[in-house]
Amino acid sequence: QVQLQESGPGLVKPSQTLSLTCTVSGGSIASGVYYWSWIRQHPGKGLEWIGYIYYTGSPFYNPSLKSRVTMSIDTSKNQFSLNLSSVTAADTAVYYCARAQGSGYYHYWGQGTLVTVSS
Amino acid sequence: EIVLTQSPGTLSLSPGERATLSCRASQSVTGDYVAWYQQKPGQAPRLLIYGASTRATGIPDRFSGSGSGTEFTLTISRLEPEDFAVYYCQQYGSTRGFTFGPGTKVDVK
Repeated sequence: QVQLQESGPGLVKPSQTLSLTCTVSGGSIASGVYYWSWIRQHPGKGLEWIGYIYYTGSPFYNPSLKSRVTMSIDTSKNQFSLNLSSVTAADTAVYYCARAQGSGYYHYWGQGTLVTVSS
Repeated sequence: EIVLTQSPGTLSLSPGERATLSCRASQSVTGDYVAWYQQKPGQAPRLLIYGASTRATGIPDRFSGSGSGTEFTLTISRLEPEDFAVYYCQQYGSTRGFTFGPGTKVDVK
C-alpha cells in the first residue's frame, strides 16, 4: 500500500519561499509511470492543481503558478519536493502531495499539511 | 486551460435518494479523461471514478460515472449516510495541465 506524507514548516513569512517535502513509502518513486504531484486547497475552497514531476525529473507546472514553482525529486530518498517563492497570504492553504497514474488521475494522496503565510 | 463547471453547487437530499452531479468542461476533454473525487471535512480527496466511467478499486457500485466530450455526470443511485460530502471532478486530458471543478456539496435535506 503506497503512502505519502507531507512535511515542512506550517508558517511562512510573506515574500519568503514555501518549501515542502513528500515522503513516499510502500513503493519506489522511480518505478512505474507516475506523476508525483502537488495540489492545494485554500481554506473552505476547492482544489487547485500546482503541478507534477516525473521520476526522471521532468516537471510540468500550472501555468498560473509556473513563475514561482519549482519541483524536484530525490529517488535515493524516495521523496519529492515543492518550492513556491514570493509567497503572500493568498498562498495560505492545505498542501497535498499525491500520485497520479494512468494519464493523470489521483489514487493516492497524502493527508495534507496546512501552510499559513503570515508575518 | 480547460475550465470545469460543476452543478448544482449544493444538492440537498435524503438518505436513499438518487444524486445526480454534473461537470461541464469549457472544451472537449481528450480521451474523456475525467475523474471524480469525494472529500469529507479534514480528509484528503478519495478517488471514485476515472476515465469518466471506471470505478476505482473498492468503490461501491452505487457510484457511477458517465458522459463524454464536455458533459460528465456522477450518479449515486441510493445515498447512504456516509455519502454526504463534497464531490469534485477533475480533467487530466489537457496538454496545458490538469484542472479541478469547484465542487458540489451533497448535504442532508
